[in-house]
Amino acid sequence: AQKVTQAQTEISVVEKEDVTLDCVYETRDTTYYLFWYKQPPSGELVFLIRRNSFDEQNEISGRYSWNFQKSTSSFNFTITASQVVDSAVYFCALRNSGAGSYQLTFGKGTKLSVIP
Amino acid sequence: NAGVMQNPRHLVRRRGQEARLRCSPMKGHSHVYWYRQLPEEGLKFMVYLQKENIIDESGMPKERFSAEFPKEGPSILRIQQVVRGDSAAYFCASSPLQGRNTEAFFGQGTRLTVV
Repeated sequence: AQKVTQAQTEISVVEKEDVTLDCVYETRDTTYYLFWYKQPPSGELVFLIRRNSFDEQNEISGRYSWNFQKSTSSFNFTITASQVVDSAVYFCALRNSGAGSYQLTFGKGTKLSVIP
Repeated sequence: NAGVMQNPRHLVRRRGQEARLRCSPMKGHSHVYWYRQLPEEGLKFMVYLQKENIIDESGMPKERFSAEFPKEGPSILRIQQVVRGDSAAYFCASSPLQGRNTEAFFGQGTRLTVV
């Protein structure tokens, strides 16, 4: 069975601070996919990134970066120089490659509040 | 280039009524997935459909809930005789293929409130 744990329920930072959102996952599959989604106060789900398990290169996109560490089963998300518009709930998700590979398993989310 | 469209965005039903949630997938997508988000929780998989077929409904409650994806028209998630515990956000996602190299994009969700 797969599981995604986002231990941080809520985080508050002051604008321009850096913040890291943690994600730890469990899966028996050797090939799997990890995702981050953003859910702003308006409620929609915004896809941020997909990472394959066989690609451990870290990724940077503007102020966002992701650190994938297979050895610790973690896929952490860092926002550099946070802005008020980053305030949202962020979900980490996992999809396996075997049977049921269409299902996303979500963590419970981390609510990020960026204070001006 | 419309994304996944869900309607209505908000739905209020009294206990015992029926709720119908609609999802139009992205153009060219023939796979639809429904997820439910209870308050303060992450999303939980409910059902996976292809056109005219239910592929996996393992996450859907056995009673009162049903889903369809007809040859023509949107996918429908139907909840009969709603109860307060059905209050949640229901998200639909679609993809062109099922498998390792697909990405599911979500609609804006339907927020169901049962009063």
